[in-house]
Amino acid sequence: SQQGEEDPQALSIQEGENATMNCSYKTSINNLQWYRQNSGRGLVHLILIRSNEREKHSGRLRVTLDTSKKSSSLLITASRAADTASYFCATRSNTGNQFYFGTGTSLTVIP
Amino acid sequence: DAGVIQSPRHEVTEMGQEVTLRCKPISGHDYLFWYRQTMMRGLELLIYFNNNVPIDDSGMPEDRFSAKMPNASFSTLKIQPSEPRDSAVYFCASSLFVWGADTQYFGPGTRLTVL
Repeated sequence: SQQGEEDPQALSIQEGENATMNCSYKTSINNLQWYRQNSGRGLVHLILIRSNEREKHSGRLRVTLDTSKKSSSLLITASRAADTASYFCATRSNTGNQFYFGTGTSLTVIP
Repeated sequence: DAGVIQSPRHEVTEMGQEVTLRCKPISGHDYLFWYRQTMMRGLELLIYFNNNVPIDDSGMPEDRFSAKMPNASFSTLKIQPSEPRDSAVYFCASSLFVWGADTQYFGPGTRLTVL
């Protein structure tokens, strides 16, 4: 990927457990976003964190951003089978005109 | 709003044929993006427009690909001639520019198969 790399590439957990995905990027960013993609569907925006923010919450989602390490993490708490999907991080450069998506983490939540 | 609309949803064609994919962005959005997704290469940004003007087409793989946005409510991605390696899911997305808060809304995608 030109910009974002997610890890792990695949993650399998039991329902009720927490899932953590990480994203690393290369250049300075304006913001970082996480998207979810269900099989055969388009991506759906989950949460956005700005470069001057360190942590953000939305429901069962918690995102952290460390601009010094050029990395972000997405934590899904109390996972559900319906959370099974691929998760992508996306960045917008701080020059404003470059957009990149990571390689994605495939999450499987076993009921 | 109906969201981003793409057509067709599925396209099967033979090598050498021209393929045209269509996108209607969400009304009022000033950015439009075309992406290609494959297992091997993941999600790739091909081109994006701002106020109907192409801003960055560095992701367009080669001259066989072209994209236009004649007005704020319509865009096309054309492949001529198509090749089997163009088989992929092509997504269109749109967003409203708000600095630092520009969520992209994706269409359902067009699954292209080139035989």
